[in-house]
Amino acid sequence: DAGVTQSPTHLIKTRGQQVTLRCSPKSGHDTVSWYQQALGQGPQFIFQYYEEEERQRGNFPDRFSGHQFPNYSSELNVNALLLGDSALYLCASSLGAPPGPHGYTFGSGTRLTVV
Amino acid sequence: GQQVMQIPQYQHVQEGEDFTTYCNSSTTLSNIQWYKQRPGGHPVFLIQLVKSGEVKKQKRLTFQFGEAKKNSSLHITATQTTDVGTYFCAGRGGNQFYFGTGTSLTVIP
Repeated sequence: DAGVTQSPTHLIKTRGQQVTLRCSPKSGHDTVSWYQQALGQGPQFIFQYYEEEERQRGNFPDRFSGHQFPNYSSELNVNALLLGDSALYLCASSLGAPPGPHGYTFGSGTRLTVV
Repeated sequence: GQQVMQIPQYQHVQEGEDFTTYCNSSTTLSNIQWYKQRPGGHPVFLIQLVKSGEVKKQKRLTFQFGEAKKNSSLHITATQTTDVGTYFCAGRGGNQFYFGTGTSLTVIP
């Protein structure tokens, strides 16, 4: 049973550029949540997708956008990158929202460095 | 907005000593989850607590949910080097979970 797959694992971008991160949820899961984790901090909720729609959003600017496809996979797009966007981006999948007694299944993350 | 704080931020213990991390929310929580993140890794789900005053055990780990459902704790008995990592609580707000600030545990052999 496949876990959560994220790509790429590492990425270096220049300020002002745009980036797209990808996530395939665990088999059987239909909900994808994206988190940003800065070094030494807890994951911060960006948004959540269910049935191809953004259902909830955290306190992130409109530069952060996403998409969910019919096969439940998801993309996170960040425009006009800032140095402060450097972080580990985690995708978490679940069956429905909120996650039930088995919690979120996280991917290994994409380490984004903005220079 | 919802805030979930954890103390301490860091904890160094000798192998075999006990360890406790505390999680406090600014609002009442529907339920709370705990995750462990190894250095360089991603969060891994440990457990969910739902009922007021609930206590659950997983081998050497004991999880407790406060009576007012605004706080929680994780206690590890007789720590081992495999317990190294950052422990996060996550409280439910709406349909997703807000993660706490985490407690980083170092175990000295």
